[in-house]
Amino acid sequence: AQKITQTQPGMFVQEKEAVTLDCTYDTSDPSYGLFWYKQPSSGEMIFLIYQGSYDQQNATEGRYSLNFQKARKSANLVISASQLGDSAMYFCAMREVYNAGGTSYGKLTFGQGTILTVHP
Amino acid sequence: DGGITQSPKYLFRKEGQNVTLSCEQNLNHDAMYWYRQDPGQGLRLIYYSQIVNDFQKGDIAEGYSVSREKKESFPLTVTSAQKNPTAFYLCASTYRGDSPLHFGNGTRLTVT
Repeated sequence: AQKITQTQPGMFVQEKEAVTLDCTYDTSDPSYGLFWYKQPSSGEMIFLIYQGSYDQQNATEGRYSLNFQKARKSANLVISASQLGDSAMYFCAMREVYNAGGTSYGKLTFGQGTILTVHP
Repeated sequence: DGGITQSPKYLFRKEGQNVTLSCEQNLNHDAMYWYRQDPGQGLRLIYYSQIVNDFQKGDIAEGYSVSREKKESFPLTVTSAQKNPTAFYLCASTYRGDSPLHFGNGTRLTVT
């Protein structure tokens, strides 16, 4: 079963406008973390923002904010005032923590990604 | 500067040969991960390790092997048993807990 779903293969936005990238997740664990990463054409993975399952407030980092709706299991990324340099692939990821043999393990699962293109 | 180093950036091999991808980190992170990315696709977990001398299979471990003899190093061997090895391979590390993964710049492997 797909644990992280990004339903938008591609999105377009005009420079200086805001854009929302969708992400839904599936987990039965009460403790988990949600991440967004940006991957430019160079291939590097850039961490953008993090939301913990117990966090009461939506996370924000500069122009990035995470619209966390726990009951709906969604963690959408909002980019405000888009810039040309925001054009890239964006990945949503979920980290689940489990214990085995006295060791705590964390496993990060990624969605399929959304390609964002910012037009001048 | 602390970071994760993957080498080489590009790697070419003939079919049937094993190849080892290097991943070194000086961030003092406990956990290390290997992901595979195919064109236009997301990242799929191959192997991960939380502590030295221990590692776990990810979602697509078949045809791959790893070792974790030192905290700083987590090499990935792509064996001849891997049917479609051509891909972009990313190594990552993190502290335990809800910390973001730090990624290396990746190795692009081409097998012909």
